[in-house]
Amino acid sequence: EADIYQTPRYLVIGTGKKITLECSQTMGHDKMYWYQQDPGMELHLIHYSYGVNSTEKGDLSSESTVSRIRTEHFPLTLESARPSHTSQYLCASSEYRLPLAHSGANVLTFGAGSRLTVL
Amino acid sequence: KNEVEQSPQNLTAQEGEFITINCSYSVGISALHWLQQHPGGGIVSLFMLSSGKKKHGRLIATINIQEKHSSLHITASHPRDSAVYICAVMMGDTDKLIFGTGTRLQVFP
Repeated sequence: EADIYQTPRYLVIGTGKKITLECSQTMGHDKMYWYQQDPGMELHLIHYSYGVNSTEKGDLSSESTVSRIRTEHFPLTLESARPSHTSQYLCASSEYRLPLAHSGANVLTFGAGSRLTVL
Repeated sequence: KNEVEQSPQNLTAQEGEFITINCSYSVGISALHWLQQHPGGGIVSLFMLSSGKKKHGRLIATINIQEKHSSLHITASHPRDSAVYICAVMMGDTDKLIFGTGTRLQVFP
């Protein structure tokens, strides 16, 4: 079954540690996204990618990096975690199926999220 | 000013009521998504629209490209519809996906 997977689901780490949040999708989508969401708040775009070797920064990207070496894999790395990084991180992927008028609803898929706590 | 704005921010309704959530955007878009997020964080895509209207069960989504406005309607609302509904637009020039702030809906029996 096609899906999008995030690991770890929950992570508690100390300040200064380097962490990588994994995101993989099996749908062959070209577009992938990372979002940060605090409880009850809106999603903020961190990074996005149009395809292999293509990455762009979003609004909150300055303290993290991403890579897109394979279509299915889009990991997010925090080089030095801080308490301000405590949040939920959501990965998503999307693809257009032309013509749009006949596309199904599920062309934007989210992972279950990675909840990070930095002590 | 946010590029995508939703109204209302919070909405309460009695079971059976007709509900409308609005989304206005200020940028050129290639598509607009309506998403549902339940407590616990899981996000599900409800609709993707580039023009006109789509219907799925009790949910109807419309978009007016000229007015840069979309609406999500829920007919015969039910307590299980309680969730946050999010409008997201795919920007036409970059394919960047921008989210609205969400509308928190609570439907009471």
